[in-house]
Amino acid sequence: DQQVKQNSPSLSVQEGRISILNCDYTNSMFDYFLWYKKYPAEGPTFLISISSIKDKNEDGRFTVFLNKSAKHLSLHIVPSQPGDSAVYFCAAGRTDSWGKFQFGAGTQVVVTP
Amino acid sequence: NAGVTQTPKFQVLKTGQSMTLQCAQDMNHNSMYWYRQDPGMGLRLIYYSASEGTTDKGEVPNGYNVSRLNKREFSLRLESAAPSQTSVYFCASSEGWVYNEQFFGPGTRLTVL
Repeated sequence: DQQVKQNSPSLSVQEGRISILNCDYTNSMFDYFLWYKKYPAEGPTFLISISSIKDKNEDGRFTVFLNKSAKHLSLHIVPSQPGDSAVYFCAAGRTDSWGKFQFGAGTQVVVTP
Repeated sequence: NAGVTQTPKFQVLKTGQSMTLQCAQDMNHNSMYWYRQDPGMGLRLIYYSASEGTTDKGEVPNGYNVSRLNKREFSLRLESAAPSQTSVYFCASSEGWVYNEQFFGPGTRLTVL
């Protein structure tokens, strides 16, 4: 039962433009969300997180938005750079459930010149 | 500072064989995790260790055992490998509670014939 879904398996964006990655979840008890980035043959690396008490969190070019009523979060990358070409995973968890995050299937982002 | 290391990087087993995947971290983290990643699916938690001396089941523990050997090392054992266990396995660690990002190793690609 996949409780975290990334419905777009791939996204192509031009360098300099905005990349918007989407993630939906079904469990209303989730209260902490993270995005990870993964290059081929490497493990995922942490990108940005957001707690359910917030609806937005920014870190440089990366902004995560959380819409709790819609059970939806999105990651905005502005501006997109070639080094952003990677697979992006969203993850959701409950703060009362030790480290047990549910991950989405990932979105492959390709940034073209 | 190597972060999280995993051995081996690749492994091919025959059905019924056993093996142990090794994981070590040098960040003095309390918590460690084992995930598997299959095509079209996100990372799924197999087992985790909240702290040295404790282990607990994740989402997909069947067919696996773990040992938290000390604070640095967390191994995953397949006692009798099955083709359904063909996957990429990631080890991760975190400083502590759920608000901490997880740091991932580079993965072990396992094929069971």
